[in-house]
Amino acid sequence: GDSVTQMEGPVTLSEEAFLTINCTYTATGYPSLFWYVQYPGEGLQLLLKATKADDKGSNKGFEATYRKETTSFHLEKGSVQVSDSAVYFCALATTSGTYKYIFGTGTRLKVLA
Amino acid sequence: NAGVTQTPKFQVLKTGQSMTLQCAQDMNHEYMSWYRQDPGMGLRLIHYSVGAGITDQGEVPNGYNVSRSTTEDFPLRLLSAAPSQTSVYFCASSRLRTGGGLPQHFGDGTRLSIL
Repeated sequence: GDSVTQMEGPVTLSEEAFLTINCTYTATGYPSLFWYVQYPGEGLQLLLKATKADDKGSNKGFEATYRKETTSFHLEKGSVQVSDSAVYFCALATTSGTYKYIFGTGTRLKVLA
Repeated sequence: NAGVTQTPKFQVLKTGQSMTLQCAQDMNHEYMSWYRQDPGMGLRLIHYSVGAGITDQGEVPNGYNVSRSTTEDFPLRLLSAAPSQTSVYFCASSRLRTGGGLPQHFGDGTRLSIL
């Protein structure tokens, strides 16, 4: 069945370090892919999205490229800030047959000053 | 423009009690869903709806009921609360579009403790 696998956390980085959070997926058809961010005590917010192969989503310095050949959607940021500390969720949405949204287990990022 | 509104934000129940978690959206979204978030398990889908009068089960539906009498509202009912239902509950909504999923909008969550 459809699934999303993302790297386990927590990930601890120093400010201005490079960030990569890996995400791979299994799905039939051509799903849309998303990264959500959850700050402490809040709901999930959409960070970026990509709807077809080779699309690059970007927002607030974060980027992710939809790679169909490797079924991946890795999240990257060139220089993290303390304010980026949060939990990041990779997710997919598929409309093949029924509408499904499937989330990864989340990766906690902690950025130290 | 309130987005997705969940009430209450916090609730403590005793085992065996029943209650309803409220969810309302003002974006005229067809799709609404309920998730529970537990440590190390990400988000698990409880129930979802693709429109008024239509609901379906997700991954973990046991112990929960839903109904969708209007486009705006999607309440989640706990029939007889159990300690295993202690969790953070999120409601989400989105438009539906043929050919590609659209992102969901999330509420701020309801933190539920069952004693």
